[in-house]
Amino acid sequence: DAKTTQPPSMDCAEGRAANLPCNHSTISGNEYVYWYRQIHSQGPQYIIHGLKNNETNEMASLIITEDRKSSTLILPHATLRDTAVYYCTNLAQGAQKLVFGQGTRLTINP
Amino acid sequence: EAGVAQSPRYKIIEKRQSVAFWCNPISGHATLYWYQQILGQGPKLLIQFQNNGVVDDSQLPKDRFSAERLKGVDSTLKIQPAKLEDSAVYLCASSLSLSGGARSGEKLFFGSGTQLSVL
Repeated sequence: DAKTTQPPSMDCAEGRAANLPCNHSTISGNEYVYWYRQIHSQGPQYIIHGLKNNETNEMASLIITEDRKSSTLILPHATLRDTAVYYCTNLAQGAQKLVFGQGTRLTINP
Repeated sequence: EAGVAQSPRYKIIEKRQSVAFWCNPISGHATLYWYQQILGQGPKLLIQFQNNGVVDDSQLPKDRFSAERLKGVDSTLKIQPAKLEDSAVYLCASSLSLSGGARSGEKLFFGSGTQLSVL
């Protein structure tokens, strides 16, 4: 079973920053936090991952709290195409078995 | 770069019939996964291959589901006989290898899936 907790749904206005929270209070020291998203009728797509430090790439930023018990995925300027289900998951170092929870359904409104 | 290819895109069958899904992973990817995604839920791992060997099939209902990856490239997933509760999207994913793991930012690449409806 997934070891993460996410809100079932969120809304955000187009052009604003979308901040998606994830609780992973039981995360182990060697487990990375991964984020994927799934747009309707497509398979999940990798977004970003991190261990301790904050990370940024062309798609998003990942903020991990100092105690690593929670994280936030930030889409800085949300567009309508960012409407999707966003999954937060943990992956241990050396492992590749991704376990998905139910994710957060993010709706970007015009 | 070509992505993960799956076919068919849609399949409708009656219960107790058989069905097979095909997956062609990204070239050079050693690890292949089959996930089942029931409507409204996150994907659930059914089976994981590295090359042509099974790494994890703990959640595969082996009385009716089978999968193979004979030459370490393409894979097929079969259901025989199908039940109503097998209605779902079946997703195939691939990744480069197990050796890097999470440290190296190992990413899974998913196909668009096969939507199965069992009537």
